[in-house]
Amino acid sequence: DAGVIQSPRHEVTEMGQEVTLRCKPISGHNSLFWYRQTMMRGLELLIYFNNNVPIDDSGMPEDRFSAKMPNASFSTLKIQPSEPRDSAVYFCASSPTSGLAGGNEQFFGPGTRLTVL
Amino acid sequence: AQSVAQPEDQVNVAEGNPLTVKCTYSVSGNPYLFWYVQYPNRGLQFLLKYITGDNLVKGSYGFEAEFNKSQTSFHLKKPSALVSDSALYFCAVRDRMGRRALTFGSGTRLQVQP
Repeated sequence: DAGVIQSPRHEVTEMGQEVTLRCKPISGHNSLFWYRQTMMRGLELLIYFNNNVPIDDSGMPEDRFSAKMPNASFSTLKIQPSEPRDSAVYFCASSPTSGLAGGNEQFFGPGTRLTVL
Repeated sequence: AQSVAQPEDQVNVAEGNPLTVKCTYSVSGNPYLFWYVQYPNRGLQFLLKYITGDNLVKGSYGFEAEFNKSQTSFHLKKPSALVSDSALYFCAVRDRMGRRALTFGSGTRLQVQP
């Protein structure tokens, strides 16, 4: 299995531009999570989906951020317009939900390092 | 609500010595507990988890953790540290009744000196 795939791995953009981050979860995993990691705030959960439906988006910073999961094998996180304070590493993770759903570990992608100038 | 505390930003240990990375948690009811490791420029990797049963859980790379319900702790341990264990370690918790997402601690940087 290829694991969780994220693209791009690095993104440098200018303030005000739209940024789209992409994630392909592990096949068969029904839960998908978007996190943001910064030195100042650590690892923050932004949003998570179960069976393609957003369950909890309380961690999404503001309306500039949006996430979609049109099907079981693809999700996007969009920032529009981007700001320098959005600079961070964004991780996608997936988890199976069969069996001990709450006890299943999450599998993380390699992350997208976003720099907004 | 659920929360995790990792009281040490950094732990330094000499190679060959035992290591402990501390974690305490707060949840309603019984927890699911996890440890993850993050190497530079990489995503988090699962190390081990406590679901139920034996309080001593063994995981990858020789790591183990002990669930202590009375102290609400889940400290990560290894009998003999390796330089290659140097990384960022995260503890995470989820209660069995609430939302499915994990709550992560702030992370502890482990530095193993040769």
